[in-house]
Amino acid sequence: EAQVTQNPRYLITVTGKKLTVTCSQNMNHEYMSWYRQDPGLGLRQIYYSMNVEVTDKGDVPEGYKVSRKEKRNFPLILESPSPNQTSLYFCASSYRTGLNTEAFFGQGTRLTVV
Amino acid sequence: AQSVTQLGSHVSVSEGALVLLRCNYSSSVPPYLFWYVQYPNQGLQLLLKYTSAATLVKGINGFEAEFKKSETSFHLTKPSAHMSDAAEYFCAVSDSGGSNYKLTFGKGTLLTVNP
Repeated sequence: EAQVTQNPRYLITVTGKKLTVTCSQNMNHEYMSWYRQDPGLGLRQIYYSMNVEVTDKGDVPEGYKVSRKEKRNFPLILESPSPNQTSLYFCASSYRTGLNTEAFFGQGTRLTVV
Repeated sequence: AQSVTQLGSHVSVSEGALVLLRCNYSSSVPPYLFWYVQYPNQGLQLLLKYTSAATLVKGINGFEAEFKKSETSFHLTKPSAHMSDAAEYFCAVSDSGGSNYKLTFGKGTLLTVNP
């Protein structure tokens, strides 16, 4: 089954404690990205990757890091989480959004930073 | 730069009534347009997409949308609402010619269906 898998689904952590949210896709997609969803703001892109070892900032990259060492994996790293990073996070992948393909989304990770 | 405006953060309809969710976009290049649905505690699922073929696009679950370039709109409709349609709906635009194939989302419209 084609899918994007995120882990964990729920996470509560304390300010400053480094964490990683994993994302894996089994569709051999080149393009992967991370979004955060906040009430009233919709989804905003954090980082994206066009292929292995190629990453770039999205609209709200501050406080986040990513890596793309393998095509299937695209972890999101919060080196020193802060309460304003409490949000719902989605990983997405596609061949290329727009050219008769669609973006597939993971189930989401609800992060709370206290 | 591209942007999406969804008119109405909350729409409430009766079961069996017409569903109309509004989306207007701004894009400097021909856009690709999408509607996604998000059910509670789930990820986003593609309802339909416009990629410069037919202007009337049919999607899953009886939804359709019409691309109107003159109005820069891509409104989502369904003739008869069902209780299972209750969810949050997001309109999104993608730059067909850009180097970052990102989706720019609207802020979402929460659809409530009343019995």
